Amino acid sequence: DTAVSQTPKYLVTQMGNDKSIKCEQNLGHDTMYWYKQDSKKFLKIMFSYNNKELIINETVPNRFSPKSPDKAHLNLHINSLELGDSAVYFCASSQTSGYNEQFFGPGTRLTVL
Amino acid sequence: SQQGEEDPQALSIQEGENATMNCSYKTSINNLQWYRQNSGRGLVHLILIRSNEREKHSGRLRVTLDTSKKSSSLLITASRAADTASYFCATAPLANDYKLSFGAGTTVTVRA
Repeated sequence: DTAVSQTPKYLVTQMGNDKSIKCEQNLGHDTMYWYKQDSKKFLKIMFSYNNKELIINETVPNRFSPKSPDKAHLNLHINSLELGDSAVYFCASSQTSGYNEQFFGPGTRLTVL
Repeated sequence: SQQGEEDPQALSIQEGENATMNCSYKTSINNLQWYRQNSGRGLVHLILIRSNEREKHSGRLRVTLDTSKKSSSLLITASRAADTASYFCATAPLANDYKLSFGAGTTVTVRA
């Protein structure tokens, strides 16, 4: 009974390609997030959706586009991948607001060659 | 910009010893949270302490919060090998409660 799941777990691709990462939560939460964790383990928020509406959009290249088809899903599409996009991407969810605990997915390790 | 900063960056202790790590932050907060990340895994929420609380316990975890100094500490008592992980503090500013900001983490190694 995985609470927050992400696919794929590993993604290896060439520079310039377009790729997507999918996230699903079965916790009934109304807020979902995408984070990027770099090689030094620094975790930075990228986007957040509340009830399918974008509420946080950090300084992220517009090559990154999140899509939330419903409250339980938040996907991340990346165009024209660059070497610097290599990182671990985490999806998370929480209920109502960020004051409550966030539940994280297992992460997607993206490697751009 | 990074809100929380943990100290030390790394900690190595013997099983059974206590581990203490600190977190400092910059802006006023509603609450502060601690998370654990095992190698190759996602983050797991450990404990949340609200700005009007000074100390909170959960099992072998003890968290303190000093809002006047904008700092928090996490104490793990009687450590076990399974406590080996990275520990992160996270804060949400008053102005935007959705925007959880994480520190760089403290890597704890518990030696058997």
